[in-house]
Amino acid sequence: LAKTTQPISMDSYEGQEVNITCSHNNIATNDYITWYQQFPSQGPRFIIQGYKTKVTNEVASLFIPADRKSSTLSLPRVSLSDTAVYYCLVGDSGSQGNLIFGKGTKLSVKP
Amino acid sequence: EADIYQTPRYLVIGTGKKITLECSQTMGHDKMYWYQQDPGMELHLIHYSYGVNSTEKGDLSSESTVSRIRTEHFPLTLESARPSHTSQYLCASSEHHATNEKLFFGSGTQLSVL
Repeated sequence: LAKTTQPISMDSYEGQEVNITCSHNNIATNDYITWYQQFPSQGPRFIIQGYKTKVTNEVASLFIPADRKSSTLSLPRVSLSDTAVYYCLVGDSGSQGNLIFGKGTKLSVKP
Repeated sequence: EADIYQTPRYLVIGTGKKITLECSQTMGHDKMYWYQQDPGMELHLIHYSYGVNSTEKGDLSSESTVSRIRTEHFPLTLESARPSHTSQYLCASSEHHATNEKLFFGSGTQLSVL
């Protein structure tokens, strides 16, 4: 399974765009990149998933360069309610059987 | 929206007791997982299942067992609870695609062993 590295924490202010980068140098050909959001005392929630280039949904955008060794989650115009831990996962669960969560990035949005 | 339910939401129990944490999903997902998470820490995979009659151990030895008799049900049992088992337990399920798996989590069970 590809190991991921993310910043431990980030601070932002309401209305700003936040970009969280995840490094995954050992990503395999079949691996997808998935981001989850977790609020205190709750289970993680799926945000976005991609394989290459750019993916956008109603919540976020995911940018993946051609070499796929990193990815960037972009949250447009964050609000206080976006304060949470964000996890980047990379894996091919079909062969390994499970998905591993790292430490994640704790995002704090201030007024 | 995903439908996966965990009960109880909170549990306080004495050392040595046997407990079962319940997890059910109504999405027909084949794969189910149990994760353990301490406050502010990362999630650790303790058990998972590919489907009925399939159970696998994860990376963390939690001294617990699981069963998968029905697709929708994946209970976690601690035969003899200890204070070191105090933690949040999260259940998840997914459609088992080879590469682009997406996990849906329950709200968790916060277990305190006195």
